[in-house]
Amino acid sequence: AQSVAQPEDQVNVAEGNPLTVKCTYSVSGNPYLFWYVQYPNRGLQFLLKYITGDNLVKGSYGFEAEFNKSQTSFHLKKPSALVSDSALYFCAVSSLNQGGKLIFGQGTELSVKP
Amino acid sequence: DTAVSQTPKYLVTQMGNDKSIKCEQNLGHDTMYWYKQDSKKFLKIMFSYNNKELIINETVPNRFSPKSPDKAHLNLHINSLELGDSAVYFCASSQDHGASSGNTIYFGEGSWLTVV
Repeated sequence: AQSVAQPEDQVNVAEGNPLTVKCTYSVSGNPYLFWYVQYPNRGLQFLLKYITGDNLVKGSYGFEAEFNKSQTSFHLKKPSALVSDSALYFCAVSSLNQGGKLIFGQGTELSVKP
Repeated sequence: DTAVSQTPKYLVTQMGNDKSIKCEQNLGHDTMYWYKQDSKKFLKIMFSYNNKELIINETVPNRFSPKSPDKAHLNLHINSLELGDSAVYFCASSQDHGASSGNTIYFGEGSWLTVV
């Protein structure tokens, strides 16, 4: 069965510092990996995805993520955090023959302080 | 020019009532979904439709009935609402076979349902 784990419920970062939000996955076959962000009382916004190719993918708002097959990880990173990055971040996975659905991690609350 | 729009955004209703949430997408996508986000923010798929055909039904109670009049619309009707149905319901859409083909799933803004 597919699964996604986000080991940290909350990540606290000072503005201007680099941030990392961790994600590990379990899937049979090749994974398709996604990151979404949810601001308070808003929907999920797509940030980036890994399908194939270069392990480092770049997305919206300066975020990037690195696919590591041996560690089954897809950590989200940003070189310099902004207060406006504070939100709930979800990692998600899919693969072939899963009916098109995404399986989500439990979410990580990112708090960036001035 | 919202891509995936759902109404209402907020809904407060009494136990036992029947309610509907409407969803429309203008992205030209073939597949639409309903996801439920519980009080702990956990997201789980409920249904998916591809070109008006039901693809996924994830052990959702029969009180929940999706209806897709055309591929741009997927409405969610809930009968005999219970306290435990209180949640945020997200509509979403994607091309073709969705995330299983690496396609991005785009979400609406959510409908906050409170059952009292």
